[in-house]
Parts: sequence; C-alpha cells; structure tokens
Amino acid sequence: EAQVTQNPRYLITVTGKKLTVTCSQNMNHEYMSWYRQDPGLGLRQIYYSMNVEVTDKGDVPEGYKVSRKEKRNFPLILESPSPNQTSLYFCASSLWGEQFFGPGTRLTVL
Amino acid sequence: SQQGEEDPQALSIQEGENATMNCSYKTSINNLQWYRQNSGRGLVHLILIRSNEREKHSGRLRVTLDTSKKSSSLLITASRAADTASYFCATALLWETSGSRLTFGEGTQLTVNP
Repeated sequence: EAQVTQNPRYLITVTGKKLTVTCSQNMNHEYMSWYRQDPGLGLRQIYYSMNVEVTDKGDVPEGYKVSRKEKRNFPLILESPSPNQTSLYFCASSLWGEQFFGPGTRLTVL
Repeated sequence: SQQGEEDPQALSIQEGENATMNCSYKTSINNLQWYRQNSGRGLVHLILIRSNEREKHSGRLRVTLDTSKKSSSLLITASRAADTASYFCATALLWETSGSRLTFGEGTQLTVNP
C-alpha cells in the first residue's frame, strides 16, 4: 500500500531534550516536505527536499533541522525543543504536484 | 499573509445541499490544489487544477479557477454527513517548476448536518 508513515504519532517531551520525528514513504517520490499545523495559522511549511541530499528552508524553519540521506526517509530534528514548537506535524511526499500526507505527529513540549 | 485564503472560515449546511468554498491567492501560480482533512488527521488530496485550466470535475466535486481574479472555488454537490471536514486550498507558485512546493490557506470547516 502506498503510504507515508510518521513516528511517533504522539510525543510529550520537555524543553531542551533533543528529539527526532521520522518520516518514510514507499512511493519513490523525489519531493518530501514537513509542515506544522496550528489553530488559526493553517499549515506552514518547515523544510522541504527536492531529492537526496537536497534540502531547503520553508516558511518557518527556525528551531528545526532535516536530513535526506535516502530517498525514502526525511527525518525532522528538534535539537532543543521549546514550548512554541508544540504543534501537529505532518510529513508529505510528492512526485509532481499532488502531495501525500502522513497521519501526523502531535508534539507537546513542556 | 497566507498565499491562499479560504472563505468562509466555517460553513454549516444540511445533507443534500451543495457546499461552495472559495479561495483567493496573491501571486501567479503553477497549479492550485484542494485538500480535505478530517479532524486532526492527515490531509487527503482531492483535486489539482493547473493555471491553464478553468474548470475540473471529480465525482461530486467541481473546481473552478479564475486566474484573472486570482481565485478558485470548490463545489461539493449533494453533500453527505461524511463530507464534514476541513477543506484547504493550496497553491504552487509559478516558478516552482515541480509544482510540488505548496502554500496552504487556513481552511474552511464544513459541517454537514444529517
């Protein structure tokens, strides 16, 4: 089944404790992206990647890192999480245009 | 502000009625897409319309695009309770040649009452 998976689905952590949210797709898509969704702000793009080893900042990259060492994986790294990074995070992949979204990761930073 | 802005923010209708949602954007686009999101879950792609297209249909969905007005509309005909969800428009800017990098609006919350 073609899908985008994210792990974990739910995470509660404390300020400053490094964490990684994994994202994997099995559709051989070149393009992958991370978004955060907050009430009243819609979805905002954090980082995106056009292909392996090619990443670029989206609209709200501060406080986040990404890597794209393999085509299928695109982890999101929070080196020192802060409470303002409490949000619902989505990973997505795309070949041309249409994006396929993962189920989301709800992150709470205390 | 957001490239795409939906109107209305919330819409409540009865089952069987049609639902129309509008999206406006600011800069030239490669394509415009509509997505649906059930509460707290991942977005699901509904339809993509390219900048050289004016209208597109998919089942009970009809999307129009007016590039001169920088606006789009999504019409859901004969709505069902299961259509209750948030609907987002997303635009791919003209110079984004892959058409993949999207900017999302804040969404319209549609409630269809049985």
